[in-house]
Amino acid sequence: KQEVTQIPAALSVPEGENLVLNCSFTDSAIYNLQWFRQDPGKGLTSLLLIQSSQREQTSGRLNASLDKSSGRSTLYIAASQPGDSATYLCAVPKTSYDKVIFGPGTSLSVIP
Amino acid sequence: GAVVSQHPSWVICKSGTSVKIECRSLDFQATTMFWYRQFPKQSLMLMATSNEGSKATYEQGVEKDKFLINHASLTLSTLTVTSAHPEDSSFYICSVDNSGISYNEQFFGPGTRLTVL
Repeated sequence: KQEVTQIPAALSVPEGENLVLNCSFTDSAIYNLQWFRQDPGKGLTSLLLIQSSQREQTSGRLNASLDKSSGRSTLYIAASQPGDSATYLCAVPKTSYDKVIFGPGTSLSVIP
Repeated sequence: GAVVSQHPSWVICKSGTSVKIECRSLDFQATTMFWYRQFPKQSLMLMATSNEGSKATYEQGVEKDKFLINHASLTLSTLTVTSAHPEDSSFYICSVDNSGISYNEQFFGPGTRLTVL
């Protein structure tokens, strides 16, 4: 049974800092890994999708890496801004048509 | 990516009534949609997989007679919470599986907040 964990559960940083969010999964047989952002009371916004054959994806100030063998992914946020404050979730499906298992999320607060 | 809408965005109802939530895929024909539930300060928990033209597949512990799912077209899935009780109060989110285009990338609706009094 796939289990997804995220560390830390909460993070508070001053504006401008670079930061790393961590995601771990117990079953390395994943199809892809997706990072999402959720603002309070809102739905999810897809940030980055990494295929199982890839090692990283980049979008603007965001960089996500994937190490399947160790069951880990990291989301790197460069030069953090107050607008980055949100909950960040990682999620993995086992196969191309399988359900997606979510991690518990990391609540990020960027202080101006 | 796919654009997904939900209606209503929030609903307040009395205990014992039924509430229907719609999930629409606006620019993509979705054979598969997913329904999730999220309690405060918790992550998303998959409730069921909605398949167009067939019965939904429910996760363990989710009552199929209480949470009725209908996926009658490629653009619409509905979740009906029957005889709602206060413990059903939650944030319900649907997603569309974009497997036909981008390898099981999930796109989510904005969510529906249900409050049962």
